[in-house]
Amino acid sequence: SQTIHQWPATLVQPVGSPLSLECTVEGTSNPNLYWYRQAAGRGLQLLFYSIGIDQISSEVPQNLSASRPQDRQFILSSKKLLLSDSGFYLCAIDHSRSSHSTDTQYFGPGTRLTVL
Amino acid sequence: RKEVEQDPGPFNVPEGATVAFNCTYSNSASQSFFWYRQDCRKEPKLLMSVYSSGNEDGRFTAQLNRASQYISLLIRDSKLSDSATYLCVVNGPRNQGGKLIFGQGTELSVKP
Repeated sequence: SQTIHQWPATLVQPVGSPLSLECTVEGTSNPNLYWYRQAAGRGLQLLFYSIGIDQISSEVPQNLSASRPQDRQFILSSKKLLLSDSGFYLCAIDHSRSSHSTDTQYFGPGTRLTVL
Repeated sequence: RKEVEQDPGPFNVPEGATVAFNCTYSNSASQSFFWYRQDCRKEPKLLMSVYSSGNEDGRFTAQLNRASQYISLLIRDSKLSDSATYLCVVNGPRNQGGKLIFGQGTELSVKP
């Protein structure tokens, strides 16, 4: 069965510092990968998704970027964090191959980021 | 209009109560519907998919009304462990890749 790992689990960073969050997947191949952010008391916001290695789509313009150097590795980065970047960052996977219907998404345990 | 809109919470109910959550969605072409459960400070987890004919899983019943673009979740005989936030999830427009769109969630608190 598939397993999603996220690292680190929690992070406290100063404004203006860089960021790197990692998501790795086991037990499956060629997944679609997603980064979501959930701000306190708010819904999930899709940030990036990837259908394959080095194929990244951005949903929301911001100071974040994503990379997928390997099939089962998805990285979220920032060069300079803002206060508004605080939130719960979730990596998710599915195996949808059609835009007509969407397969179930499964989430990793998340990284809780606080920017001070 | 929000793409996925849910009842505002929180719902505070006693153990054993029946509680219903409602959700509306704006994209009439959506084909995939789900309810997720999210415990406090945890990741969302799939509770159940929602099928056109409606479906039941133990104490949980999901219904879909395509004409009204409405989804519901019914929980019977509520347990303390049902306390969580329930997220209504729908796939978005095809021209946007059909990605999942999450509602804001409805918080449920079951009290002894």
